[in-house]
Amino acid sequence: SQTIHQWPATLVQPVGSPLSLECTVEGTSNPNLYWYRQAAGRGLQLLFYSVGIGQISSEVPQNLSASRPQDRQFILSSKKLLLSDSGFYLCAWRKAGQETQYFGPGTRLLVL
Amino acid sequence: QQQVKQSPQSLIVQKGGISIINCAYENTAFDYFPWYQQFPGKGPALLIAIRPDVSEKKEGRFTISFNKSAKQFSLHIMDSQPGDSATYFCAAKAKTSYDKVIFGPGTSLSVIP
Repeated sequence: SQTIHQWPATLVQPVGSPLSLECTVEGTSNPNLYWYRQAAGRGLQLLFYSVGIGQISSEVPQNLSASRPQDRQFILSSKKLLLSDSGFYLCAWRKAGQETQYFGPGTRLLVL
Repeated sequence: QQQVKQSPQSLIVQKGGISIINCAYENTAFDYFPWYQQFPGKGPALLIAIRPDVSEKKEGRFTISFNKSAKQFSLHIMDSQPGDSATYFCAAKAKTSYDKVIFGPGTSLSVIP
């Protein structure tokens, strides 16, 4: 069966510091991968998606970037965090040709 | 229009009652409508989904009703239980190269004993 992991689970970072969040998927190959941000009490905003290694598309221009160095690894990064980057970051995967996205457990980021 | 509207924002239901959450969309190119359930501090989990060629789908206590002409769909939770207390998101998938999913803003459901 497929599983998706995210780490860390919680992160507190000062403004201006760098960020690296990692997402890995097990039990499948060549998944479509997604990064979402969820502000407190709000819906999900798609940040990035990837259909393959090294292929990244951005939905919203922002302070963040994403990379996919391996087939089942998706990384969300920032060089300098802003207060507005605080939120709950969710990684999701979808098997190519199927419709459902499956979400990871999320990373709660607090920028102070 | 790539928007999915959802109401109510929050809902309080007595145990054993029926919880109803409504969603509406405008883009007729949407071809798949999932509902996700999210508990605090967790990622959303797929609850039930429907395609536009079906008017109703039932899985246990959860039912989706779909009105294609009105571009509306709703989630009914029968015999609501305190364990159903969570945030529910309706969503719609568009036909794009990566099958983008548009999420509604969510409904916070509280089922009280």
